[in-house]
Amino acid sequence: DAKTTQPNSMESNEEEPVHLPCNHSTISGTDYIHWYRQLPSQGPEYVIHGLTSNVNNRMASLAIAEDRKSSTLILHRATLRDAAVYYCILRETGYGGSQGNLIFGKGTKLSVKP
Amino acid sequence: NAGVMQNPRHLVRRRGQEARLRCSPMKGHSHVYWYRQLPEEGLKFMVYLQKENIIDESGMPKERFSAEFPKEGPSILRIQQVVRGDSAAYFCASSLSSPSLGETQYFGPGTRLLVL
Repeated sequence: DAKTTQPNSMESNEEEPVHLPCNHSTISGTDYIHWYRQLPSQGPEYVIHGLTSNVNNRMASLAIAEDRKSSTLILHRATLRDAAVYYCILRETGYGGSQGNLIFGKGTKLSVKP
Repeated sequence: NAGVMQNPRHLVRRRGQEARLRCSPMKGHSHVYWYRQLPEEGLKFMVYLQKENIIDESGMPKERFSAEFPKEGPSILRIQQVVRGDSAAYFCASSLSSPSLGETQYFGPGTRLLVL
């Protein structure tokens, strides 16, 4: 799986939007971009994933650059419960795709201020 | 609609004892993954199992660690003769189908192992 780069930490105010960036300049054509988050003292939780087009779900939106070398996870209105470490992970898929493992980097620690 | 279950949630062992960690995947999931998270670090993959088979154990230490996922019952991660460096949070995840399809992994709450 290709490498990703994320800021170590970010701060946000409650009820404001948050944009969490991820660089993945060596992404290949078969890599999906996955986001997970880990709340304090809990297991990681799936947030969203995409390939080329922007994606929306009830938790967040994922904006993918046209060249796919970067992406941004968007939380539209941050709440205190969104304080977590957010991981951007690339997963190769398809025939002959990767082993089972997700490769977690250090992620971005998001703090949300009331 | 229960999620991934792990037990115990906390486990204390003395050096040299055995630790057995259990993971029940989500209903209908036949793919199980184990990860370890050392204090203040990210998760590291250990092993990927499908029912009765180890598919990828590239992240598993060669000695003292073993994993199984029998036809019936939970997946077990066993650590023999534990040492202080084994103290960590151990997370189990499961998925419905093969990771080659990009299947989402659903994580359990983890077992926090403390070796005295």
